[in-house]
Amino acid sequence: DIQMTQSPASLSASEGDRVTITCRASQGMSNSLAWYQQKPGQVPKLLIHAASTLHSGVPSRFSGSRSGTDFTLTINSLQPEDVATYYCQKYDSAPRTFGQGTKVEIK
Amino acid sequence: DVQLVQSGTEVKNPGESLTISCRGSGYSFISYWINWVRQLPGEGLEWMGTIDPNDSHTDYSPSFQGHVTISVDKSISTAYLHWSSLKASDTAMYYCAVLTGWGQGTLVSVSS
Repeated sequence: DIQMTQSPASLSASEGDRVTITCRASQGMSNSLAWYQQKPGQVPKLLIHAASTLHSGVPSRFSGSRSGTDFTLTINSLQPEDVATYYCQKYDSAPRTFGQGTKVEIK
Repeated sequence: DVQLVQSGTEVKNPGESLTISCRGSGYSFISYWINWVRQLPGEGLEWMGTIDPNDSHTDYSPSFQGHVTISVDKSISTAYLHWSSLKASDTAMYYCAVLTGWGQGTLVSVSS
């Protein structure tokens, strides 16, 4: 089974900073990788699917990319409303594992 | 737009059985696998299992295999998550989800 290792577990950055979060797959996989945002007390929301496709209505400061087995979520110009926990998930086949989550805070 | 509406909060005793539901609308229900996801208080998202509404094929996480049962009734666009014997450690929020949408969550509390 493919394991997903997400890093860092948490980060603190200033408003306007560029933030990157990485999910590393334990072996090669398809592009079926999604990124979700979960704000405190809310339901997770899809940001990115197919590794780099921005979901409808998601601000363009969010982007996704892939290099080999590393998948990256980038937030350009961090905003106060981006305070949340972010998760990756592989969704092509079982097990449809989530990453461990990255908690993003504003300094 | 994808809409998934889950059943309401449940408060149960250990050993009791429970089925929670997830009704889909706004999309072709049989076109997307439905996932069930657990979130323990203050913790991350855990994939429990998936069902194909078209043929009821299921996949389970090894962590949940044998402890829960996922089923679907495509005639009413509804998926289900069932426990035959709840434990206190099952206290959590449970979500159903397809790729582009999530249910609002069902809070399950198990306590004697």
